[in-house]
Amino acid sequence: GENVEQHPSTLSVQEGDSAVIKCTYSDSASNYFPWYKQELGKGPQLIIDIRSNVGEKKDQRIAVTLNKTAKHFSLHITETQPEDSAVYFCAAVPRGTASKLTFGTGTRLQVTL
Amino acid sequence: GAVVSQHPSWVICKSGTSVKIECRSLDFQATTMFWYRQFPKQSLMLMATSNEGSKATYEQGVEKDKFLINHASLTLSTLTVTSAHPEDSSFYICSARDGGQGNTDTQYFGPGTRLTVL
Repeated sequence: GENVEQHPSTLSVQEGDSAVIKCTYSDSASNYFPWYKQELGKGPQLIIDIRSNVGEKKDQRIAVTLNKTAKHFSLHITETQPEDSAVYFCAAVPRGTASKLTFGTGTRLQVTL
Repeated sequence: GAVVSQHPSWVICKSGTSVKIECRSLDFQATTMFWYRQFPKQSLMLMATSNEGSKATYEQGVEKDKFLINHASLTLSTLTVTSAHPEDSSFYICSARDGGQGNTDTQYFGPGTRLTVL
C-alpha cells in the first residue's frame, strides 16, 4: 500500500517568512495530492491540491510542487501570518483506490510575531 | 460550497452505552463518505469507507460490529459506537467525496466529534 512520509514534524517561522513542508510517497500510481490544514479541535480543511499531470499549482500565498520522478511534493507558504499556525497534513491517493487518502504524519507550524 | 457537518460536536457517555454520530454533506451529493479516528497529536486513521446504499468497507483491525456505519442517503452517513468503553474515547471525523463532475477524488471533512467515554 501507499506510504507517505512528511517532514518536518514541527516548524517555527517568524511572521513574514516562508514555510516549506515536504512529503514523499511510495506508490508511483498515486495521482492526487491534497494538503489539509487542521486547527486545534477542528476537522481538516482542504487548502490546496495537485494532480499528477501538473508540476506546480499556486493559490495566493500557498503553492504546491510535485516531482513525480522523485515521488515527492511540497507545500510552500509565503508571507506567513499568525493565523497560518496549525497542523498541516499532506496526503496521497493511489489510482484505483476509490479515493482513499493516505495521510502524512503532520507538521505543526508555529508562526511567531 | 462543499460543506460537511457533523453532529454532535462533542458527547460524553457512560461505559457500555451506544453513541451515534451523524455526518451530512450540506450542498453536494456524497456517493462515498469516510470515517476517521484521530488521537491527540497524531494523524488521521481511516476506519471505514461508506458507500450510499451498500455495506461499509472496514479497514484492517477495525471491528465492524463495534463501529456500525450506515449510509442511507447521498447526504447522510452515521457511525454508531456500540457498547462504548473508555478506550473508544477519541476524535471522530467524517469526510465526503463529491460524486458530481470535476475532481471526484477531493474529500471534504466535517468538523469532528469529540467522544469521551467515562
